[in-house]
Amino acid sequence: GENVEQHPSTLSVQEGDSAVIKCTYSDSASNYFPWYKQELGKRPQLIIDIRSNVGEKKDQRIAVTLNKTAKHFSLHITETQPEDSAVYFCAASNIDLRDKVIFGPGTSLSVIP
Amino acid sequence: DGGITQSPKYLFRKEGQNVTLSCEQNLNHDAMYWYRQDPGQGLRLIYYSQIVNDFQKGDIAEGYSVSREKKESFPLTVTSAQKNPTAFYLCASSIIVGTEAFFGQGTRLTVV
Repeated sequence: GENVEQHPSTLSVQEGDSAVIKCTYSDSASNYFPWYKQELGKRPQLIIDIRSNVGEKKDQRIAVTLNKTAKHFSLHITETQPEDSAVYFCAASNIDLRDKVIFGPGTSLSVIP
Repeated sequence: DGGITQSPKYLFRKEGQNVTLSCEQNLNHDAMYWYRQDPGQGLRLIYYSQIVNDFQKGDIAEGYSVSREKKESFPLTVTSAQKNPTAFYLCASSIIVGTEAFFGQGTRLTVV
């Protein structure tokens, strides 16, 4: 079955700097890669996702890149702000096969003002 | 606010008792899920359901049971067979299995 690894487990950056979180997946058939943000005491919420037919996707200060050959994808947050502090989860699934989503273990991001 | 409701937010039970966590959605989603969240361990899948009257085990199903008698509802029972039931439980739903998941606010279960 699918296995998703995520690094680093914790990340601290100064406000205004960039943050990068990396994930790898094991199942080459996976074709959908969402990222969720979970603020302290709140529910996880989707912030961006990418399909396997796209190499990069941007939404304001966040972007996700996908390397299908290497089976890894990354979340990039630029100009970080204190409100970006949260736990971020990457995930992978095969939408066509209606496969369950497998989550990575999460990255706790702290943005220091 | 997401259309998926979990109740209660906090739940306390004595060891050896079964307890049922409620999850209701009004998003007309076919798929529903239960996850367990422990510190440093991410989101681990307990059970999921692709459609009414169907459900399948996730990675950590032992000691848990579910039912899916209605599209809107997917209750989770934590049985006395679950060795370490104290945790934060999240319910989620999606249009179909594998697509964007919408999460409830979670239930924090404490067994004493």
